[in-house]
Amino acid sequence: SQTIHQWPATLVQPVGSPLSLECTVEGTSNPNLYWYRQAAGRGLQLLFYSVGIGQISSEVPQNLSASRPQDRQFILSSKKLLLSDSGFYLCAWSGGLAGGPPYEQYFGPGTRLTVT
Amino acid sequence: QKEVEQNSGPLSVPEGAIASLNCTYSDRGSQSFFWYRQYSGKSPELIMSIYSNGDKEDGRFTAQLNKASQYVSLLIRDSQPSDSATYLCAPRETDKLIFGTGTRLQVFP
Repeated sequence: SQTIHQWPATLVQPVGSPLSLECTVEGTSNPNLYWYRQAAGRGLQLLFYSVGIGQISSEVPQNLSASRPQDRQFILSSKKLLLSDSGFYLCAWSGGLAGGPPYEQYFGPGTRLTVT
Repeated sequence: QKEVEQNSGPLSVPEGAIASLNCTYSDRGSQSFFWYRQYSGKSPELIMSIYSNGDKEDGRFTAQLNKASQYVSLLIRDSQPSDSATYLCAPRETDKLIFGTGTRLQVFP
């Protein structure tokens, strides 16, 4: 069965510090991978998605970046955090060859980031 | 800008009742639709997917889709206090899901 991991679970970082969040998926190959952010009391905002190694699509211009160095690894980074970067960061995966079905997305446990 | 509209709630129903959650979407090209449940402080959990017009039942859950009206709903029968959560509607757009802001459901004993 497939499993998705995210770490760390919680993180408190000062403004201006760098960020690296990691997500890995087990039990599948060539998944589509997604990074979302959920601000307190708000909906899910899609930040980045990737349909393959080295292929990153950015949904919202911001001071964050994403990379996919391996098939089942997705990394979210920032060089300098802002207060507005605080939130619940969620990684998700979906299966299917060449973007086909199944289209269901499955979420990891999330990382709760507080920028102080 | 593709939009997904959900009533934020809270929708309060007594235990044992039917909870009805509704969602409208703007993209007429959407062909796949998903319902997620999110408990407070937790990540979303997929509970239903529906691809064709009509009803799809899975246990106590029934998803209903009307593409002509751009409307999708989720019915929860015999609601339990453990169903208290936020329910997110998500139509698919190519490789992405477009999430609504969710409806908060409260089931009281």
